[in-house]
Amino acid sequence: AQKITQTQPGMFVQEKEAVTLDCTYDTSDQSYGLFWYKQPSSGEMIFLIYQGSYDEQNATEGRYSLNFQKARKSANLVISASQLGDSAMYFCAMREGSQAYSTLTFGKGTMLLVSP
Amino acid sequence: DAGITQSPRHKVTETGTPVTLRCHQTENHRYMYWYRQDPGHGLRLIHYSYGVKDTDKGEVSDGYSVSRSKTEDFLLTLESATSSQTSVYFCAISVGGGNTEAFFGQGTRLTVV
Repeated sequence: AQKITQTQPGMFVQEKEAVTLDCTYDTSDQSYGLFWYKQPSSGEMIFLIYQGSYDEQNATEGRYSLNFQKARKSANLVISASQLGDSAMYFCAMREGSQAYSTLTFGKGTMLLVSP
Repeated sequence: DAGITQSPRHKVTETGTPVTLRCHQTENHRYMYWYRQDPGHGLRLIHYSYGVKDTDKGEVSDGYSVSRSKTEDFLLTLESATSSQTSVYFCAISVGGGNTEAFFGQGTRLTVV
């Protein structure tokens, strides 16, 4: 079974609108972390936001927020007031356990296109 | 800039030849990772290291080996390159721990012909 599922291969949104990118995860660990990365067409991987499994509040970083629903095992990324520069591939990732050496597992990504 | 340099950035090689990709960090982070990125697969872990001379396999380790003789360098070797190893390779580093993000290098685009 996939540990990280991103069901939207592509999403379109108009500038200034909000958009939600879906991510569901599968783990039996009680301690885990969820991450979102952005990959623009230039190719670099940019860390956006982190949510810990024990965090009671949804994480926010500027225009990015993470809608964390633990019981549903979902960690959706919400981008408010989209900008043209938000056009990119977005990856959801999970780190299971609290061990220092635990590694990131990635979803297959969602391509977001923002139109004027 | 997380102080990670990958070299080379681009390489074309022939099937059957050995290839070594280098990841160099200036952050003195303990943990280093090699991922490959392919369309429709996201990023998949090849190998990782949790210290000098300490490495372990990831999800897609077949056909790859790694070495880490110094904290700052993590080498990925394709002993005998195959066309299925055509991919973009990313190195990443982290300080370790469940709540810490990984910082990525710029990637190496490898084409095996």
